[in-house]
Amino acid sequence: DVKVTQSSRYLVKRTGEKVFLECVQDMDHENMFWYRQDPGLGLRLIYFSYDVKMKEKGDIPEGYSVSREKKERFSLILESASTNQTSMYLCASKKEVQETQYFGPGTRLLVL
Amino acid sequence: GQQVMQIPQYQHVQEGEDFTTYCNSSTTLSNIQWYKQRPGGHPVFLIQLVKSGEVKKQKRLTFQFGEAKKNSSLHITATQTTDVGTYFCAGNSGNTPLVFGKGTRLSVIA
Repeated sequence: DVKVTQSSRYLVKRTGEKVFLECVQDMDHENMFWYRQDPGLGLRLIYFSYDVKMKEKGDIPEGYSVSREKKERFSLILESASTNQTSMYLCASKKEVQETQYFGPGTRLLVL
Repeated sequence: GQQVMQIPQYQHVQEGEDFTTYCNSSTTLSNIQWYKQRPGGHPVFLIQLVKSGEVKKQKRLTFQFGEAKKNSSLHITATQTTDVGTYFCAGNSGNTPLVFGKGTRLSVIA
């Protein structure tokens, strides 16, 4: 079974803090993704990566950066958290572009 | 860019009634995938459709991919309380990342 894990289920941070969200997958998948999910807006793609050290901007990359130093790990970084980044963050991975996408359990981030 | 529209946004049904959600893409898709997210959970893959006009069934769920590969539907026959959740369609064209619809949240009243 594919397993995608995220470092925290719930996180509370203060405005201006640097926030790291970690995602790890154990199936040697090339492709990894970060989404945020907000009521009424569905899943919006923040960043994705097709391989180690590669990153591509998604639809809403502003205020975020990512790091993919190892194949199994994809980190999302909020350089200076703001209240409008309060959201559910979902990581996903898959082997090939047109294959099934596996999601992690999500991190619910609250920025005060 | 590519857009995927999904309707309705919400659907409340009595247990035993049928349910359908529809998905339309602004561009021709290589494939379409459907996911289900239970309340408090994360999206879980249900099925992928690849061929024009394809129809697939999973027990009470029927998935269709349009002839033009721009639309799809998910139909649930005789809903049960276990069907509660949000159903997302997602499609891509070529090697682009999946584009998700906004989802249809299904409530089932027992």
